[in-house]
Amino acid sequence: DTEVTQTPKHLVMGMTNKKSLKCEQHMGHRAMYWYKQKAKKPPELMFVYSYEKLSINESVPSRFSPECPNSSLLNLHLHALQPEDSALYLCASSPLFGETQYFGPGTRLLVL
Amino acid sequence: QKEVEQNSGPLSVPEGAIASLNCTYSDRGSQSFFWYRQYSGKSPELIMFIYSNGDKEDGRFTAQLNKASQYVSLLIRDSQPSDSATYLCAVNKGYGGATNKLIFGTGTLLAVQP
Repeated sequence: DTEVTQTPKHLVMGMTNKKSLKCEQHMGHRAMYWYKQKAKKPPELMFVYSYEKLSINESVPSRFSPECPNSSLLNLHLHALQPEDSALYLCASSPLFGETQYFGPGTRLLVL
Repeated sequence: QKEVEQNSGPLSVPEGAIASLNCTYSDRGSQSFFWYRQYSGKSPELIMFIYSNGDKEDGRFTAQLNKASQYVSLLIRDSQPSDSATYLCAVNKGYGGATNKLIFGTGTLLAVQP
């Protein structure tokens, strides 16, 4: 089973809202990733967690705040987003950092 | 020079033909190579990965790696309209630490004509 789940599938939020994206995997993977993808562009790495510790932050604005409560769960907390943050947000996991990554279905975010 | 380069396409092939998708990378020390398929509005789906020079076959898909030429390709035999998607090439340098992240190409749009 190579399933990564993400909720919600779609999210519309205003610039003053606070919301969270959730990602879950039960494959025993120890690395989890957040990517942002704009239309007709490749996924762009935002954060990497390895063994529940933040390993990489690709200079992401502080209005995006990741959290890894346990080895199966990854959250992305959103606050005071801008319209240009509208995108498909993808979660991925891999057995270990650097190994084959499996993507979840994504959350399509629209910021108004 | 981009780290991972792909022709954006569209690459148009007739149904039943072989589709050949190509990717070049700039870092000679890169260790592992991945092909993902992405349908419009969906997330990337892993098709193949390859670590060693040569060919690797899985059903209708064959990945080819030539580290000397810094070139990786994906062949799709007996192409079907359902193969129409964007194919993303991704490379992992594998040096450890931050260099373990995937570097994606911009993707090639494949259109299989019925």
